[in-house]
Amino acid sequence: QVQLVESGGGLVKPGGSLRLSCAASGFTFNDYYMSWIRQAPGKGLEWISSISYSGPYSATYTNYADSVRGRITVSRDNAKNAMYLQMNNLRGEDTAVYYCARVVAWGGFDPWGQGTLVTVSS
Amino acid sequence: EIVMTQSPATLSVSPGERVTLSCRAGQSVGSNLAWYQQKPGQAPRLLIYYASTRATGIPARFSGSGSGTEFTLTISSLQSEDFAVYYCQQYSSWPPWTFGQGTKVEIK
Repeated sequence: QVQLVESGGGLVKPGGSLRLSCAASGFTFNDYYMSWIRQAPGKGLEWISSISYSGPYSATYTNYADSVRGRITVSRDNAKNAMYLQMNNLRGEDTAVYYCARVVAWGGFDPWGQGTLVTVSS
Repeated sequence: EIVMTQSPATLSVSPGERVTLSCRAGQSVGSNLAWYQQKPGQAPRLLIYYASTRATGIPARFSGSGSGTEFTLTISSLQSEDFAVYYCQQYSSWPPWTFGQGTKVEIK
């Protein structure tokens, strides 16, 4: 079945860096846009990044929310069926559960991974 | 950016009751709207897309309606497992994809 599993979360000091991973299985990873969506404690959902499908003859496109642009970088490794989120210069307001999600043909998110918690605190 | 607004923030409901949740878009999104359900400690789950199409495995008691800027999610007879937070999301114009702030359905 289609499955997404995030990893890499943890406690990091303000100004620090963290790299999240999303392992995909059960579908042809290359064929899908993928996204990262986060949820601060007790708050709603915030889309933060997406990366297009890619192949040998097509470029890879990335998008970022204004709240994180310049501090995060999304990438993917189709050979490993994995997506990554490199987060730098982390702030307290980046504390959240980070979900990866597949972007389906009609434009929404299905399924979602179980999430990984990132806590930014000194 | 298309702003999504949900109302009410919280609904107190008894099991078996009919529930109606509202979502308003800041500009027309056509029928490009999805609903998600999130239970405590879990990831969101897709319920409805294209405003009214139920996702695979979603019970028929869940239905969606609307187009343009006004949308509704209806649960015809609330079951105990339906107490959760519900989010609407537009995918008409992205990036960014945008979500409503959520409606919590709690036990009365």
